[in-house]
Parts: sequence; structure tokens; C-alpha cells
Amino acid sequence: SQTIHQWPATLVQPVGSPLSLECTVEGTSNPNLYWYRQAAGRGLQLLFYSVGIGQISSEVPQNLSASRPQDRQFILSSKKLLLSDSGFYLCAWRKEYSGANVLTFGAGSRLTVL
Amino acid sequence: AQSVTQLGSHVSVSEGALVLLRCNYSSSVPPYLFWYVQYPNQGLQLLLKYTSAATLVKGINGFEAEFKKSETSFHLTKPSAHMSDAAEYFCAVSGRGANNLFFGTGTRLTVIP
Repeated sequence: SQTIHQWPATLVQPVGSPLSLECTVEGTSNPNLYWYRQAAGRGLQLLFYSVGIGQISSEVPQNLSASRPQDRQFILSSKKLLLSDSGFYLCAWRKEYSGANVLTFGAGSRLTVL
Repeated sequence: AQSVTQLGSHVSVSEGALVLLRCNYSSSVPPYLFWYVQYPNQGLQLLLKYTSAATLVKGINGFEAEFKKSETSFHLTKPSAHMSDAAEYFCAVSGRGANNLFFGTGTRLTVIP
């Protein structure tokens, strides 16, 4: 069976510090991978998605970047965090060419920027 | 382009009462529609999905949703609320073959004992 892991689960960082959130998927190959951010009262905002190694699509211009160095690894990064980067970050995957586009989510990473 | 609108950011029902969470969609192509549930500090879990088969879709935990093309709606219902249903619920839409899934802003369900 497939599993998705995110870490760290919680993170408190000062403004201006770097960020690295990691996500890995097990039990599948060539998944589509996604990063969403959930801010209070704003639902889920799609940040990045990737259909393959090194292929990143950005949905919203921002202070964050994403990378996919391996088939089942997706990393969310920032060089200098802003207060507005606080939120709950969710990684998700779906099968390649999945006709029904069902996303499976990780448990999330809560980031607080102080 | 696709989008969903969830009417009501907060809904409160009494235990045993009907649950109705509203979702209207907009899509330029035939859509896939989804409902997800999120418990506090957890990821999202799929409740049910519509993929153009039956318009009445049954999901987990006794929830169901009906696709109404004429009303561009996909409302989520459950005949009798349980305390364990208290959570946040998200409606989402995707175009067929699209890479992205677009979510509504969520509805927080409170169940009153």
C-alpha cells in the first residue's frame, strides 16, 4: 500500500530564517506531487505541483520554492521566511494519469514564523 | 477554469439532526467533484467523489452527495449527525485530465450534544 510522510510535523522559525519541509511517498512510482498551504479562514491554496523529477509548476508567486530531487521526494523551501508564511502545509500525491484525480494527503506540517 | 464555493463557513447541528453542507461548482469542462474531511491538526481524508457515474454518491461514515448539473451543486448530506462528525469539510473540483484540484474555503461542522 502507498503511504505519504511529511516532516517536521511542527516548526517554529524566526523571520528571515530558511525553511525546508520534506515529503516522501512510498509504495508507488512517478506520482504527481503537490504542496498546499492552509491559512486560517482561507481554505487550501495550491502552491506547487510536480509531474516528474525536476518538473515544478508554481501556482502562486511567493516567497517559497519547491524541488523534486527524486521520484518520490518533494521539498518545500524558503531562503528567508516572512510572517505571512505561517500556516499549515500539506503535501499530497496522486497516481500518474489518474482519471479521477484523487489526492491523498500527508498529515501536514504546521509552521509558525515569529 | 474550475472553482468551488462553499456556502457557510460554520454550520452547527444537534446530534441526530440532518447534516447539509453546501457546495456549488464552476467548471468549463465536465468536472470531477470531491468532498474531503479534516480533523484538527491532521491532513485531509477523502469522503466521496463524483466521476460521472451515478449522480448520487455514497461515501464513508454515512455521508452522501448528489451531483446536480442544472444547479451546479454537489451538496453533502448525512441523515443523522454524530459527535464524531465534528470537523472541517472541503469541497473540491477538478477538470478531467487536469493536474490540479481546486478546493473551497471549507465549512466547519459543530455537533451539539
